Order: sequence, then structure tokens, then C-alpha cells
Amino acid sequence: DAGITQSPRHKVTETGTPVTLRCHQTENHRYMYWYRQDPGHGLRLIHYSYGVKDTDKGEVSDGYSVSRSKTEDFLLTLESATSSQTSVYFCAIRPGQGAREQYFGPGTRLTVT
Amino acid sequence: QQQVKQSPQSLIVQKGGISIINCAYENTAFDYFPWYQQFPGKGPALLIAIRPDVSEKKEGRFTISFNKSAKQFSLHIMDSQPGDSATYFCAASLYGQNFVFGPGTRLSVLP
Repeated sequence: DAGITQSPRHKVTETGTPVTLRCHQTENHRYMYWYRQDPGHGLRLIHYSYGVKDTDKGEVSDGYSVSRSKTEDFLLTLESATSSQTSVYFCAIRPGQGAREQYFGPGTRLTVT
Repeated sequence: QQQVKQSPQSLIVQKGGISIINCAYENTAFDYFPWYQQFPGKGPALLIAIRPDVSEKKEGRFTISFNKSAKQFSLHIMDSQPGDSATYFCAASLYGQNFVFGPGTRLSVLP
């Protein structure tokens, strides 16, 4: 699992509430990613980070924000959750600038009611 | 140009048979093509990957075939086993950034 943990692993929340998901890695990787996984869509990139306080948008960033104040933590925030954000969220790391591969965490299943 | 197409959506194979999953991409700048295996309730796990300067890569029972001119690549699982039953995703990326994933193939290997 490349030393990646995600918390919480499961969460149910109500429409309109803020939600923060945490990705924690223990191996000091510079590059971190947030994806969402939905049936029929594979995984789609939400946001990514290439260092502390350095982040950028991915394909499906609307309604999401991220923060990275420490190398080991990459937070994904849904400012006001909607039912369309019900999904499984995965964090990933890339081992280094010259690396091509990404390794994924165990995921967080989020349900917005 | 960022889309990756994957087929079939689902696949049923007998134990010992060959499983073949196909992907096609559009962006000729992509330089890395991985395959991921995912079991229910788990994160995707990197299975095997190839770069466009190679036409084939084999690791154990898993082989990637790559056709640069056709912009297609495929995963072959030889001697398929029930333990291979999972969802498989192909992907493409440039410099390891911003992976574009196919929609996935659910493989069932019958005992």
C-alpha cells in the first residue's frame, strides 16, 4: 500500500455539510493525488500536489478543494457536499519526479444523503 | 484527446484460459501505460506497465502488448486462475502525471 493511509475509511454525511478526507503517507513522497472512482468512469483526477503548498486542479475539481501544509498529509475538502459527490475517493503517490508509476491508498467510501 | 477506451466491460473465462483486455488511446504524447488490478473494497494495485518504445512486456502470467501505430494496448492473462477475478483498469499518462483511466473490465474466472 506504499505506506498510504486514508481516513475516514467510510463516511455518511448530509447534503450541504462540509467534509474533509485525509491522506497520510510515511515515505516523504513529493507527489500526491486525489481521485474519485465511479462505476463506468474508472478513476478521475480531482486535484494533485507536487509539494508543500503546491497544488493544481485535475479533470473533476469543481466542488473540491485541497490543502497540503505538510509533506505527509494531503487533505481533500468538499465545501458543501452534494449527492453527486457520493463516490469512493482514492489517494495516490508518485515515488519521484523521474518515476512514472502511481501507488494507491485503500480508499474512502463517502455517501452524501 | 484525453480519453482511454477499454473493452470488454466484463469478461468470463474458464480456469486455465487466456483473458484478454483491450485499450485504445488518442493522445500520441502519452508515454506510460500501466494496468491496475482492483479487488472489491481495495485500492487499485499496479500490475504491469509499459512505455511506447517497447512492443511487449511480460511479467509472469501477465503480458502487455503495445501497438503504437494503432494507439492500442492490451493485457493478456495466461493460465487464468480464480484468484485473478477482479476489476482491471488500463491507464495512460504523460511523465507520470495526470493519469487517464479506462472505465474498467470486470474479470470472472470460473473454477
